Amino acid sequence: DIQMTQSPSTLSASVGDRVTITCRASQSISSWLAWYQQKPGKAPKLLIYKASTLETGVPSRFSGSGSGTEFTLTISSLQPDDFATYYCHQYNNYLRTFGQGTKVEIK
Amino acid sequence: EVQLVESGGGLVQPGGSLTLSCAASGFTFSRFWMTWVRQGPGKGLEWVATIKEDGSETYYEDSLKGRFTISRDNPKNSLHLQMVSLRAEDTAVYYCARVYCTSDICYLPDYIDVWGKGTAVTVSS
Repeated sequence: DIQMTQSPSTLSASVGDRVTITCRASQSISSWLAWYQQKPGKAPKLLIYKASTLETGVPSRFSGSGSGTEFTLTISSLQPDDFATYYCHQYNNYLRTFGQGTKVEIK
Repeated sequence: EVQLVESGGGLVQPGGSLTLSCAASGFTFSRFWMTWVRQGPGKGLEWVATIKEDGSETYYEDSLKGRFTISRDNPKNSLHLQMVSLRAEDTAVYYCARVYCTSDICYLPDYIDVWGKGTAVTVSS
């Protein structure tokens, strides 16, 4: 199975900060990576797919980059609504895996 | 509106069985691969199983093979997850989700684009 490792596990930031989350795959997954945002007690929400394509309706302060084994999710200017947990998810083959999550907390 | 509504969760004793269901609406269910994802208390997301549009192919997380069975009823727009020999570590919220496919003929589905709200399963004596 492809292992997905996110860093950091927790991130403390302030409103207006630029935030970057990294996701590394144990083998190449080309660009078959999605990012999800999850708030407590809620289902995940799709932010980005194919590593860098923004889902319709997602604010442009979110962006994704990378290919192969290393990927990043960037929030250009953190907003109060962005404090949540973020997961990467690979869909390179039939056996899917998620990263362990990165919690973005208020500093 | 695209909607997925899970049901069937609850409290079950270790070694017991449970079947979860997911009612789909607002889209042509038979044209989409579907999947189950779970999340243990305070834990991350874990992919459980995926099923092809016509039910002819199924895929499972290795450790769950043999205990969990994913199935679908296209005329009834429903997805199911049968779980047997349940263990405490199966305690989780189980999400039903739709898997989007960018190509007309979907040999390998892409990303999850729609999620249900989840149903909670607790395995405890």
